[in-house]
Amino acid sequence: DAGVIQSPRHEVTEMGQEVTLRCKPISGHDYLFWYRQTMMRGLELLIYFNNNVPIDDSGMPEDRFSAKMPNASFSTLKIQPSEPRDSAVYFCASRGGAARTGELFFGEGSRLTVL
Amino acid sequence: AQSVTQPDIHITVSEGASLELRCNYSYGATPYLFWYVQSPGQGLQLLLKYFSGDTLVQGIKGFEAEFKRSQSSFNLRKPSVHWSDAAEYFCAVDNYGNKLVFGAGTILRVKS
Repeated sequence: DAGVIQSPRHEVTEMGQEVTLRCKPISGHDYLFWYRQTMMRGLELLIYFNNNVPIDDSGMPEDRFSAKMPNASFSTLKIQPSEPRDSAVYFCASRGGAARTGELFFGEGSRLTVL
Repeated sequence: AQSVTQPDIHITVSEGASLELRCNYSYGATPYLFWYVQSPGQGLQLLLKYFSGDTLVQGIKGFEAEFKRSQSSFNLRKPSVHWSDAAEYFCAVDNYGNKLVFGAGTILRVKS
């Protein structure tokens, strides 16, 4: 299996621009998670989906952030408009099997820099 | 609220020496505990996990961890560190509700 695939790996944009991050989970996994990693705040869960349905988005920082999962093999995280404080590494992770006990498989991350 | 504390931000050990990374959690019920490793520029990889049963769990790459309920700890150990173990290590607890809460991480440096 190819693992969790994220794109782009690096994104540099200017403040106010729209940013779209993409994720392809491992085939057959029914949970998908979006995390953000920064030096100051560490790893934060933004949102997660189960069977393509958003279950908990309480970690989404504000309305500028949105996430969708139109099908089992694709998810997007969008920031509009972007701000310098959104600069971070964004990880997508997927999990199959039983809830809580299954292993999270992480993608390699998308490093976002907002100037 | 559930929380995970990794008191050591950085640890440096000599190659071949033993290693122990500390992790303390705050959790009201029986915790589900995990250790993940992150190499530079990579995502996180699961080393081991504990749900119940034997409190000493074995993981990949020669790592093990011991769950101690009385101390609310889940420390990661390795008897002999290799240079390739240099990475950042994260302890995590499952927040009932299907969410992993991660500690701040411990950066391991290995000196030859």
